[in-house]
Amino acid sequence: DAGVIQSPRHEVTEMGQEVTLRCKPISGHNSLFWYRQTMMRGLELLIYFNNNVPIDDSGMPEDRFSAKMPNASFSTLKIQPSEPRDSAVYFCASSRGGDEQFFGPGTRLTVL
Amino acid sequence: DQQVKQNSPSLSVQEGRISILNCDYTNSMFDYFLWYKKYPAEGPTFLISISSIKDKNEDGRFTVFLNKSAKHLSLHIVPSQPGDSAVYFCAASAHQGAQKLVFGQGTRLTINP
Repeated sequence: DAGVIQSPRHEVTEMGQEVTLRCKPISGHNSLFWYRQTMMRGLELLIYFNNNVPIDDSGMPEDRFSAKMPNASFSTLKIQPSEPRDSAVYFCASSRGGDEQFFGPGTRLTVL
Repeated sequence: DQQVKQNSPSLSVQEGRISILNCDYTNSMFDYFLWYKKYPAEGPTFLISISSIKDKNEDGRFTVFLNKSAKHLSLHIVPSQPGDSAVYFCAASAHQGAQKLVFGQGTRLTINP
């Protein structure tokens, strides 16, 4: 059974460019989470969805960040325009309600 | 302001000995605590949890201790094995089943043969 799938696994881009990260949650899971990992702050929750509806986006750092979940099997996290301080590993996780969260392998983003 | 803090970025322990990873929190509303383990190039995976009604929870070689008055929890691994080398994240939430988890910065544990 496939776990959470994220693409791309690595992304290198230049400052000012648009970046789109993709996530396919585990089938049957109705909650989806986007996290960012940095050395200084560890894992931070950016936003989470229940049944495709955004519930809490208080962790989204700025208006440059946006997330969508058009259907139960797909979500995107977009950064436009990207900045060097956005460089981090971005994780997507999914769960069945309040049960255990299963994380994807992450996308390592480098903004030059 | 970091509500969950892991003040040791790294820890090195000899194989067979006990590993103790520490975590402090500031928000007294936190009622449920979790530890996640992360290998390189993989996402974190759930390891063990504890509710505030307990002060200890054990699962095989892993034990989590909670001191609510001190707002402190620790993860003990005994005996430590080379496969335990990973980054360990402490997380907290308002209650069991709460979806919003607040994570610490992580501690990199290295088990030396």
